[in-house]
Amino acid sequence: AQKVTQAQTEISVVEKEDVTLDCVYETRDTTYYLFWYKQPPSGELVFLIRRNSFDEQNEISGRYSWNFQKSTSSFNFTITASQVVDSAVYFCALSLWGGNQFYFGTGTSLTVIP
Amino acid sequence: GAGVSQSPSNKVTEKGKDVELRCDPISGHTALYWYRQSLGQGLEFLIYFQGNSAPDKSGLPSDRFSAERTGGSVSTLTIQRTQQEDSAVYLCASSLGQGVTEQYFGPGTRLTVT
Repeated sequence: AQKVTQAQTEISVVEKEDVTLDCVYETRDTTYYLFWYKQPPSGELVFLIRRNSFDEQNEISGRYSWNFQKSTSSFNFTITASQVVDSAVYFCALSLWGGNQFYFGTGTSLTVIP
Repeated sequence: GAGVSQSPSNKVTEKGKDVELRCDPISGHTALYWYRQSLGQGLEFLIYFQGNSAPDKSGLPSDRFSAERTGGSVSTLTIQRTQQEDSAVYLCASSLGQGVTEQYFGPGTRLTVT
């Protein structure tokens, strides 16, 4: 069975602080994909990144970076120098090669305080 | 617009009534998903359509829920004899293919059953 765990339910940081959102996944498949989505207060989920199980290179996109470690089954997301606009609920998700379903975590609500 | 659209954006209905929720996916996307998001919860998979293949209905919570996709494009999610526990935001997403490709989400339909 597949499972995605986001243990942090809510996080609050002061603007310009760095923050890391944790994601731990479970699967016995060797080929899978991991995703992060952002859901701002407006409600619409926005795709942020996709990573396949064979690519463990960390990725940086502006203030966002992702750390994929198969050894610990984690795919953590760091926001550097957080801004108020980063306030949102962030979801981590897993899908399997050839599978239909996406398995979402319960999300982490991030509040950036000005 | 070019994104996924859903209608209505809000729906209030009385317990026992039937409701229909509509989703217009991104043109050219062959995969379409329905999810349910209850307050403070993650995304619960409901149903998946891929091209002309038989849909994956494994996430539908009861036989009161059904969905169809006409012409490989627009989809309608129908809930019969609504119950208060059906109150949630219903999200539709589309993607270029199954599993491995990122999903693009619509703004959702907020359903309230009174």
